[in-house]
Amino acid sequence: AQSVAQPEDQVNVAEGNPLTVKCTYSVSGNPYLFWYVQYPNRGLQFLLKYITGDNLVKGSYGFEAEFNKSQTSFHLKKPSALVSDSALYFCAVRRNFGNEKLTFGTGTRLTIIP
Amino acid sequence: SQTIHQWPATLVQPVGSPLSLECTVEGTSNPNLYWYRQAAGRGLQLLFYSVGIGQISSEVPQNLSASRPQDRQFILSSKKLLLSDSGFYLCAWSEVRSSYEQYFGPGTRLTVT
Repeated sequence: AQSVAQPEDQVNVAEGNPLTVKCTYSVSGNPYLFWYVQYPNRGLQFLLKYITGDNLVKGSYGFEAEFNKSQTSFHLKKPSALVSDSALYFCAVRRNFGNEKLTFGTGTRLTIIP
Repeated sequence: SQTIHQWPATLVQPVGSPLSLECTVEGTSNPNLYWYRQAAGRGLQLLFYSVGIGQISSEVPQNLSASRPQDRQFILSSKKLLLSDSGFYLCAWSEVRSSYEQYFGPGTRLTVT
């Protein structure tokens, strides 16, 4: 079985400060990892993914995430937060095998304070 | 480029009425298709997924059903809605062999009264 934990329901960050949204995962074998963002009453938007290679992956809107195999983590980061980054963020994982389904975390609500 | 459509955007239905939500994908062939439900603006629950026409796998036994009558069309149905069916329904697609990420539609807000 595979699982994702997003330990923080809510994260508040002042505008201009760096932000981190945490994600840890559990999966047998090597993982494929993803981050999505959801704005109110909208579908999820794909931000970035880790498949293989460089542990630091860059995605849309200036976001990046670092894959840490020893800590089974894939935290989402941004050097300088914008008010428009306020949204619900989901981490997801699947095995790197076959046609596996994604398992999503419960989401972290990020609020950027002006 | 690929696009995914869902309709209707919002729906208010009485308990016991039928349901039909539609999802279509453009710009790709033989995608994997998924139906999720999101309750209270939080976690996603996978309801159904399909790897081809007529091939449906159910993740959660309930009064919902899904069908895939065409390659890029995915339909979520119910014969009799329950109050607990209220939620935000999301359709998604992914390529069978490519980047593996799923792309989501805009969603349907269903309120059962």
